[in-house]
Amino acid sequence: NAGVTQTPKFRILKIGQSMTLQCTQDMNHNYMYWYRQDPGMGLKLIYYSVGAGITDKGEVPNGYNVSRSTTEDFPLRLELAAPSQTSVYFCASSTYLGGQSKNIQYFGAGTRLSVL
Amino acid sequence: AQTVTQSQPEMSVQEAETVTLSCTYDTSESDYYLFWYKQPPSRQMILVIRQEAYKQQNATENRFSVNFQKAAKSFSLKISDSQLGDAAMYFCAYMGWGGAQKLVFGQGTRLTINP
Repeated sequence: NAGVTQTPKFRILKIGQSMTLQCTQDMNHNYMYWYRQDPGMGLKLIYYSVGAGITDKGEVPNGYNVSRSTTEDFPLRLELAAPSQTSVYFCASSTYLGGQSKNIQYFGAGTRLSVL
Repeated sequence: AQTVTQSQPEMSVQEAETVTLSCTYDTSESDYYLFWYKQPPSRQMILVIRQEAYKQQNATENRFSVNFQKAAKSFSLKISDSQLGDAAMYFCAYMGWGGAQKLVFGQGTRLTINP
């Protein structure tokens, strides 16, 4: 069972470039999330989705866009990359359905992004 | 808005000893969830333990247990018989009841295990 898969693992961008961070989950979870983690800090929510076709902003959405066309995939788009977007990005998913996994977020391995 | 505070940026403990990591939070809600996540050098976020606020009994998972004080809005993690593999960043996190299950994280505590 793969869980939450993020690609790529590492990426270096030049200022002004754009890229998409991919995230897919195979647990049929309704909810998906994107967080960023700056050095020595906790995770902050960028965007989240409660189902296909539904997305909403988190705490730090500026400079990012998301879409959710399927239950499995939740890509994060960076337009016009800036040095302030240098960070580690985590995708996560969860479900509201009953059982032991209810309300638990499962995380991908992260993408380390540097903008130079 | 809810906030989570971890006041200990770094902690260290001797192998086989017990260590307690502190966490306080601020919320006006009466029902919610609290979590401790472990982040080893691999960067993977690993769930350690979960507590439902409506449960008075403190959660335990093997060597890990919590001291949940709802009135004081305190949620500390106790690690017993510390092992070298416990070395990691530990994050306390809050999740509101219902809604989109968004997590609010503390700043983290880096735990070092001394052999």
